[in-house]
Amino acid sequence: NAGVTQTPKFQVLKTGQSMTLQCAQDMNHEYMSWYRQDPGMGLRLIHYSVGAGITDQGEVPNGYNVSRSTTEDFPLRLLSAAPSQTSVYFCASRRGDGYTFGSGTRLTVV
Amino acid sequence: RKEVEQDPGPFNVPEGATVAFNCTYSNSASQSFFWYRQDCRKEPKLLMSVYSSGNEDGRFTAQLNRASQYISLLIRDSKLSDSATYLCVVTFGNNNQGGKLIFGQGTELSVKP
Repeated sequence: NAGVTQTPKFQVLKTGQSMTLQCAQDMNHEYMSWYRQDPGMGLRLIHYSVGAGITDQGEVPNGYNVSRSTTEDFPLRLLSAAPSQTSVYFCASRRGDGYTFGSGTRLTVV
Repeated sequence: RKEVEQDPGPFNVPEGATVAFNCTYSNSASQSFFWYRQDCRKEPKLLMSVYSSGNEDGRFTAQLNRASQYISLLIRDSKLSDSATYLCVVTFGNNNQGGKLIFGQGTELSVKP
């Protein structure tokens, strides 16, 4: 049982490039979500999913796409990276009140 | 106004001290309440859930006051290993919304020898 696995751990992108942050969980959790964390801002919800085939926007969805084709995977796509997307990204999944976070992806956009 | 507000600190305390963190939330429909702990550059981890009746886990005590929309965390006999950022978290929304987590910006604690 690996919990929530995020890849890559670190990434540097050039402005305008696209990429996908991967998130996978092996706990059969229905609910998964993506957060970004910026200094002094706390964690902010980007997108979430309550089950396979169902996604919705969070607080800061612009510039990001998600899909949920399986219960296990919830990738986050940056369509055209911008310096404002430099952040630490956390994926989380839950069953009941128990949230489990991945170890994060540190993204720098130059 | 932020949905969840915390004093960002930092709180610098000596070992053995008692320290209290406060948190307020703006949405009266909030359903569940938590304290998470985050060590430097790592993922948040659940410290404890918070209930109206209050709950205690060793040196940690959490309280919820729904009328005042206020949450607290008390740490007694602080240890060096308690140094971290403490995140106040609330959820609201129906099942279709998945009970979204709303985070405060965190309170930094530094426990010194």
